[in-house]
Amino acid sequence: AQTVTQSQPEMSVQEAETVTLSCTYDTSESNYYLFWYKQPPSRQMILVIRQEAYKQQNATENRFSVNFQKAAKSFSLKISDSQLGDTAMYFCAFTPPYGGATNKLIFGTGTLLAVQP
Amino acid sequence: GAGVSQSPSNKVTEKGKDVELRCDPISGHTALYWYRQSLGQGLEFLIYFQGNSAPDKSGLPSDRFSAERTGGSVSTLTIQRTQQEDSAVYLCASTRQGPYNEQFFGPGTRLTVL
Repeated sequence: AQTVTQSQPEMSVQEAETVTLSCTYDTSESNYYLFWYKQPPSRQMILVIRQEAYKQQNATENRFSVNFQKAAKSFSLKISDSQLGDTAMYFCAFTPPYGGATNKLIFGTGTLLAVQP
Repeated sequence: GAGVSQSPSNKVTEKGKDVELRCDPISGHTALYWYRQSLGQGLEFLIYFQGNSAPDKSGLPSDRFSAERTGGSVSTLTIQRTQQEDSAVYLCASTRQGPYNEQFFGPGTRLTVL
């Protein structure tokens, strides 16, 4: 079974500091996609960053970057210069590239991040 | 442009009643997904539409749950004879068809079954 595990239910960070959220996954697929989504109190899921498994280079989007370790099946999210607006639930998600088929997302249980002023 | 919209935003119902949840995807998005987010849980996949057909219904938890999509656009998720364990946030997402496309989510419908 394909699963995604986020072992940190809650985390806290001071404004302007750096925080890393952990994610591990289990799959027998060799090619797949990984995502981090952010869900603020408004409930609107927003894509933060994505990574294609066959790409060695870690993805970066402004203050957000990932540490993708394919052999270890690890996909952590680093948030630099944390801002109050980063306070949200963060979900790690996985999807195998079935092409014309489902492409459904498999989610972890989330990490609630609180950025403190 | 307009994003994915869902209605109602919140729905409170009594156990045993039927409810309908609506999703309006982004125009031109052929793929549509329903997910359920229960308290303290991640999101779980319910059903996937490609156009008007549903090739993957594997996530529907029971035969009380059904969904349809008409005109390749609007989708309705129906829950019959609601139970308290159906209480959750129901999220809809849409995307262009393809192996690597971002799913755009709506704001969800919070369903509370009393």
